[in-house]
Amino acid sequence: GEDVEQSLFLSVREGDSSVINCTYTDSSSTYLYWYKQEPGAGLQLLTYIFSNMDMKQDQRLTVLLNKKDKHLSLRIADTQTGDSAIYFCAGTFNQGGKLIFGQGTELSVKP
Amino acid sequence: GAVVSQHPSRVICKSGTSVKIECRSLDFQATTMFWYRQFPKKSLMLMATSNEGSKATYEQGVEKDKFLINHASLTLSTLTVTSAHPEDSSFYICSARDGSGRAGVTDTQYFGPGTRLTVL
Repeated sequence: GEDVEQSLFLSVREGDSSVINCTYTDSSSTYLYWYKQEPGAGLQLLTYIFSNMDMKQDQRLTVLLNKKDKHLSLRIADTQTGDSAIYFCAGTFNQGGKLIFGQGTELSVKP
Repeated sequence: GAVVSQHPSRVICKSGTSVKIECRSLDFQATTMFWYRQFPKKSLMLMATSNEGSKATYEQGVEKDKFLINHASLTLSTLTVTSAHPEDSSFYICSARDGSGRAGVTDTQYFGPGTRLTVL
């Protein structure tokens, strides 16, 4: 089945940029998503990218998609302490509408 | 827009009792809702897909008689954990799929805030 991989931890200083990476294996997804989860909360949809796009920018967030390498990234500019959370990439990958998630990257922002 | 609520947010119950969790899409109609379980520091595990007016589709290894799902309307799905045991303690999250394309992305899943279940 589809495998979605993320690094588990990322630590940055406040004001720096954060880059969270995600790779997938077998197939493509029409849309790829980034969700944010704060402690004890549900998942908040941050942004998404359509599979025929290479890049999407939304305020401090930039999503890059490299379909050849099956690599997705989320860049957060000017990272703030409020950005500390777990970030999940996800796609449907021809799984009948079911979302397949990565393991989540825990972002820690130090003042 | 695209708000999903869950109730209750937190529940503590005794072993052997049943607990019902509600998932509502507040400003859109959701023909499909999903139920996930999340263990601490782990990713989400899909338990079942709930379709309005029909039986839920359970993932492999999930006991359908233990986790009863009802999707009676386009805005409400319920998960009942029957005869709960301490090993059922977990964070349960639902999501609802907006198939209208209203938000600009068809089939995007919007998540509820989760329900923390503790079984004593």
